[in-house]
Amino acid sequence: AQSVTQLDSHVSVSEGTPVLLRCNYSSSYSPSLFWYVQHPNKGLQLLLKYTSAATLVKGINGFEAEFKKSETSFHLTKPSAHMSDAAEYFCVVTRGGFKTIFGAGTRLFVKA
Amino acid sequence: SQTIHQWPATLVQPVGSPLSLECTVEGTSNPNLYWYRQAAGRGLQLLFYSVGIGQISSEVPQNLSASRPQDRQFILSSKKLLLSDSGFYLCAWSNRDTGELFFGEGSRLTVL
Repeated sequence: AQSVTQLDSHVSVSEGTPVLLRCNYSSSYSPSLFWYVQHPNKGLQLLLKYTSAATLVKGINGFEAEFKKSETSFHLTKPSAHMSDAAEYFCVVTRGGFKTIFGAGTRLFVKA
Repeated sequence: SQTIHQWPATLVQPVGSPLSLECTVEGTSNPNLYWYRQAAGRGLQLLFYSVGIGQISSEVPQNLSASRPQDRQFILSSKKLLLSDSGFYLCAWSNRDTGELFFGEGSRLTVL
């Protein structure tokens, strides 16, 4: 069985400071992991994906995530937050096809 | 390149009225197709998925139905809307190899 837990429902940072959005997963096999971003009233956009290649994955807009099997984590980071990063972020684990599990989401607030 | 379109973007309907949301995908053939719902303050709930024309699987019992009359067309319907059907509906297609999901821009349904 698969599951994914986003440890924070809300994260607030100041512009220019680092961002950390935490995600833990559970899977009985090697999963594919994704981070998606959703701006208000928009669809979800893929930020980055891990599919058993390099454990440090770089995505769009300066985001990156590190797959840590020993900790079953896939935390999303960005060195310096921008106002435009304010959105909701979803961690996703999948085995492909229909076995896709979404986390509950983390809303990121960026203060000027 | 692949694109996904869904419409209408917003819809306000009275209780008991019918519903039809449409989704089309371009640039790929035989995609897996999905309908998700996102209620206010909640994560994504998978409603239906389809692996081919006329093949629909439902994840949860509800007041909605889905159809796939053509390879790249996916329709979400209801004969009589309920207040609880209000939400943000997202159509998506997936890459069969990686499980990566590609989302439409969403349809905001308000049932009054």
